[in-house]
Amino acid sequence: DQQVKQNSPSLSVQEGRISILNCDYTNSMFDYFLWYKKYPAEGPTFLISISSIKDKNEDGRFTVFLNKSAKHLSLHIVPSQPGDSAVYFCAASNGGATNKLIFGTGTLLAVQP
Amino acid sequence: SAVISQKPSRDICQRGTSLTIQCQVDSQVTMMFWYRQQPGQSLTLIATANQGSEATYESGFVIDKFPISRPNLTFSTLTVSNMSPEDSSIYLCSVDLQGAEAFFGQGTRLTVV
Repeated sequence: DQQVKQNSPSLSVQEGRISILNCDYTNSMFDYFLWYKKYPAEGPTFLISISSIKDKNEDGRFTVFLNKSAKHLSLHIVPSQPGDSAVYFCAASNGGATNKLIFGTGTLLAVQP
Repeated sequence: SAVISQKPSRDICQRGTSLTIQCQVDSQVTMMFWYRQQPGQSLTLIATANQGSEATYESGFVIDKFPISRPNLTFSTLTVSNMSPEDSSIYLCSVDLQGAEAFFGQGTRLTVV
């Protein structure tokens, strides 16, 4: 049973445009959500997180939106840059980042120059 | 943040043998986590390693197959025992820092032939 789902395995956008990566979850007990970026041959790198008491968190070009009623979160990257090309994982936990993280299967983002 | 070093970065092993993966952190941490990413799959937590106590394994993972050591607050090892081709994966260690986001090592790419 996949508790965290990223239904788009890949996404291609033009440089300068907005990238929107989506993530759905099924467990209503999740209270903390994170996005990670992963380049080949490297470990995942933390990007941004959001607590379930918020519906938006912004950090520079990255914004995460959380819709609890729909059990849906999204990561917006604007403007997209070629260096953003990577696999993006969403993750969720109940109990904050110190607790077990459940990851989605990832979305490969390709930003075209 | 934390600097996490994993060794080896990659290895090709014969079936039936064992491989021990090392994870070194540049600061003392309470909890260390071991994840597996099978080809095309999401990251799956294998176990949580706390210093001074036995590791806690997730459903589907057992100590005989994945023994873990945690001799101090900066180091842990994961052994993949009696390997088969199905164990070919990327193995990652991660740590959390005071409830902040989890940081990952660069991973160990294991191929079993």
